[in-house]
Amino acid sequence: EVQLVESGGGLVQPGGSLKLSCAASGFTFSGSAMHWVRQASGKGLEWVGRIRSKAGSYATTYAASVNGRFTISRDDSKNTAYLQMNGLKIEDTAVYYCTRHGPKWLDPWGQGTLVTVSS
Amino acid sequence: DIQMTQSPSSLSTSVGDRVTITCRASQGISNYLAWFQQKPGKAPKSLIYGTSSLQSGVPSRFSGSGSGTDFTLTISSLQPEDFATYYCQQYDSFPYTFGQGTKLEIK
Repeated sequence: EVQLVESGGGLVQPGGSLKLSCAASGFTFSGSAMHWVRQASGKGLEWVGRIRSKAGSYATTYAASVNGRFTISRDDSKNTAYLQMNGLKIEDTAVYYCTRHGPKWLDPWGQGTLVTVSS
Repeated sequence: DIQMTQSPSSLSTSVGDRVTITCRASQGISNYLAWFQQKPGKAPKSLIYGTSSLQSGVPSRFSGSGSGTDFTLTISSLQPEDFATYYCQQYDSFPYTFGQGTKLEIK
């Protein structure tokens, strides 16, 4: 079964940092680009960024709202993608999902992990 | 950035109804359009990619069509499990933007 499991969410103060993990199983992780998408409470989906596979030179692209503050990385030996979030703002409060860029676009999605930025 | 506009934002409908949700892109996106379904407290679920291709396991009552800037998601006969929020997303160019969502509610 293809599965993604996020972890690492929690409460952090404005200006703080947090690193999310996305553990993958059931598919060839090293060959897949991975995306992060977030959703503030009661709001719509916002694409955050993506990292390509080794074949794509691990290239990363980000939404303007997080560019320069967030960094996506991956460890293919651990089948895990990461989202390093620095300089967190209150407006970064959201559920963060990872999802695989597979042969049929974004599928599956993880269950999400909640990040709360508050003093 | 490409803006994605869905309509309606919400729809009160009944089991058995035929439902159409539209999604308009602010510029042409070829066929790089996907649809997702999300139920409260759950992760989004992929329904359709490439405008009209169904994900594995998605019932055939769901269909997608369109090209260029105008796209539709159609549910031919609404079932109780279809009451949810639906999002379109373009993946023609970065950033990969979503529509604001369409919430289907029980009449």
